Amino acid sequence: QKEVEQDPGPLSVPEGAIVSLNCTYSNSAFQYFMWYRQYSRKGPELLMYTYSSGNKEDGRFTAQVDKSSKYISLFIRDSQPSDSATYLCAMSEGSQGNLIFGKGTKLSVKP
Amino acid sequence: GAVVSQHPSWVICKSGTSVKIECRSLDFQATTMFWYRQFPKQSLMLMATSNEGSKATYEQGVEKDKFLINHASLTLSTLTVTSAHPEDSSFYICSARSGRARSTGELFFGEGSRLTVL
Repeated sequence: QKEVEQDPGPLSVPEGAIVSLNCTYSNSAFQYFMWYRQYSRKGPELLMYTYSSGNKEDGRFTAQVDKSSKYISLFIRDSQPSDSATYLCAMSEGSQGNLIFGKGTKLSVKP
Repeated sequence: GAVVSQHPSWVICKSGTSVKIECRSLDFQATTMFWYRQFPKQSLMLMATSNEGSKATYEQGVEKDKFLINHASLTLSTLTVTSAHPEDSSFYICSARSGRARSTGELFFGEGSRLTVL
C-alpha cells in the first residue's frame, strides 16, 4: 500500500459545481497536510495548509482533515474554469520533514 | 507567498551532454532546497535535499554522480544532469522552505524545468 493514495481522475464538472477532492494515507504520524494546485507545465502552487485535524476555509476552498480515518479533503465551491488544474495532496510527519505527495487529481471545470 | 524562481523553464539537449538547472529563492533565504522529478501523470518524486554549504542528501535510487547538486548560497541551488540520456527526460522542480512563512513546513515551488534529451 502506498503511503498516500489519490484518485488521478480525470474529474469533469460544470461551472458552479461543488468539487470534492480527497486523499487517504496510511502513516498515522502525518501531522501536516497540504493541498497544491498545479497547472499544466508549471510548478505546484500551495493552496491550503493544515496542521492536525479540523477544517480550514479560505475563500471558495475548504480543507478538511480526519486523522481518525486517515482521510483529507479539499472542497471547491462555485467552481470556475480557471480552477481546472491538477490538485496534489501532500503531507509530512514534522514541520521540516519530507513531503509525501499524492499522484494528483486532474480537474476540469466546463463553462 | 514566497517566490522561487527556476531557470531554464524548458531545455532540449543532445544525448551525452550536461544540463544545469538553477533554483533561486527571490525574497527569502533558504538553507534547504529540494529537487523533485515528475513524470507525466505521476506524482512528485523527491530526488534530493540540497543543504547550503554541505553535500546534498540523495534519495534511494538517485545517482549522485549523475544528478549533481550544488547549494553555494542561501538563495541558489543548482542541479546538473550529467551525460544526459533520453530516459532523463522529465519535469524537474525545485522547492524551498521559507523561514518567514506563516506556518512552518510550507514548501514553495519553482515553475519547473522541462528537460528533453534527444
